[in-house]
Amino acid sequence: EIVLTQSPGTLSLSPGERATLSCRASQSVSSRYLAWYQQKPGQAPRLLIYGASSRATGIPDRFSGSGSGTDFTLTISRLEPEDFAVYYCQQYGTSTLTFGGGTKVEIK
Amino acid sequence: EVQLLESGGGLVQPGGSLRLSCAASGFTFSSYAMSWVRQAPGKGLEWVSAIGGSGTKTYYADSVKGRFTISRDNSKNTLYLQMNSLRVEDTAVYYCAKDIRDSGNYYGVLDYWGQGILVTVSS
Repeated sequence: EIVLTQSPGTLSLSPGERATLSCRASQSVSSRYLAWYQQKPGQAPRLLIYGASSRATGIPDRFSGSGSGTDFTLTISRLEPEDFAVYYCQQYGTSTLTFGGGTKVEIK
Repeated sequence: EVQLLESGGGLVQPGGSLRLSCAASGFTFSSYAMSWVRQAPGKGLEWVSAIGGSGTKTYYADSVKGRFTISRDNSKNTLYLQMNSLRVEDTAVYYCAKDIRDSGNYYGVLDYWGQGILVTVSS
């Protein structure tokens, strides 16, 4: 099973700032099969990025993903008030999907 | 508009059984693999199970293998999760989610999610 470790656990930033979230895999994620989801309290997760860098339908271009192998990054270029949430990475390179533990982006 | 609506959750005693349903609409249900993902209270996401579009191929997390069974009825546009031998640690909100690709094969990118249904296992 591929274990995904997200850091930091919590990111305290102000609106307009840049957010950089990290996701590290215990082994190489094949074909960049890495996705990112956003979850707000009381809501279902929302797909942001898949294939490490492809934005899902309707996702603003302030969200971008990068990385390969074992190291992946989600960047939010300028935080909007609605971006404060928990973000999860997920690998789908194996039939057993695994998620990271999440990074909470909170208002500073 | 894609809609996924879970039902069947509730309170059950350890060792008991429960069947979750997920009614789908707004897309050609049989063309997409589907998954169940759960989230324990205050915790992160855990993938539980997936099924291909035709229903012939199924996949399970080790934590539920042998206890949970995923199935689907494409004539009713409905996904199911039969949960047996429930444990306290199965307590979670259970989400059904749709795969992004319309090949019917299991891919693992989940582009639409239901609102979730709470399952509580407690004596």
